[in-house]
Amino acid sequence: DIQMTQSPSSLSASVGDRVTITCRASQNITTYLIWYQQRPGKAPKFLIYGASSLESGVPSRFTGRGSGTDFTLTISSLQPEDFATYYCQQSYTTPRTFGQGTKVEIK
Amino acid sequence: QVHLQESGPGLVKPSETLTLICTVPDASIESFFWHWIRQPAGKGLEWIGRVYPRGSANRNPSLKSRVTMSLDTSKSQFSLTLTSVTAADTAMYYCAREGGAGRGLDHWGQGTLVTVSS
Repeated sequence: DIQMTQSPSSLSASVGDRVTITCRASQNITTYLIWYQQRPGKAPKFLIYGASSLESGVPSRFTGRGSGTDFTLTISSLQPEDFATYYCQQSYTTPRTFGQGTKVEIK
Repeated sequence: QVHLQESGPGLVKPSETLTLICTVPDASIESFFWHWIRQPAGKGLEWIGRVYPRGSANRNPSLKSRVTMSLDTSKSQFSLTLTSVTAADTAMYYCAREGGAGRGLDHWGQGTLVTVSS
C-alpha cells in the first residue's frame, strides 16, 4: 500500500495568516493527489485534484502544488471558515490511502 | 450537486453482519465509481473499497475477507456488507462518488454512524 504522511499533524494560526500543509507519498504517485477539507461533524469536502486543480467553487486562496512524492496545500490568507482538518489522499492506485490529517486551529 | 444518502441499522451486535445502502439520486450510478470510507470518532479516514458500474470491486486488503460491495442500477443504489463486526468497526460510514478516473471523491453522503455493541 502507498503510505501518505502529512505534516504537521496540527497547527495554530490566525485569520489572515498564510499556512502550508505538506503531504508525502511513500512512492511516486505523479500528480494523483487529492486534498479534502473536513469541518467538525461534516463529511469531507473535495478541494483539489490532480495535485493542483481547484474544484469548482473552491476559493482561489487554496493552492496545491507538487508531483512525484512531495505535495503541499497552501492557504494564502486564512479565513474563519478554513479552520478545519485537511486530508490528502492518493488516487494513483488501490487501495486508496489518506494522510492522517492536519488540524488547523485558531490561535 | 449530487446528494448521496447512506442508510443502515445504526447499532449492530458483535459478530453480526452490517449492511449499508447508499442511494444515488439519479441515473448517474452507471457512469461513475462508488466508494465507501469510514472514520472512527476523532480519527482519520479509512478507505473501505469501491464498486464499478459493471459490478466489479476493489477492497482494502485490511478488510477484504469481510467486505462485499454491490451495485444495483435498477434502484440507483450501491451497498456495503461487512461481516463479523467488532467494536473496532464502530465508525461514521460515508459513501462517495469518484468523479473520474483518479480524480478523487467529489461528492459525499452526510455519513451514517454505526455502533457495534451488545
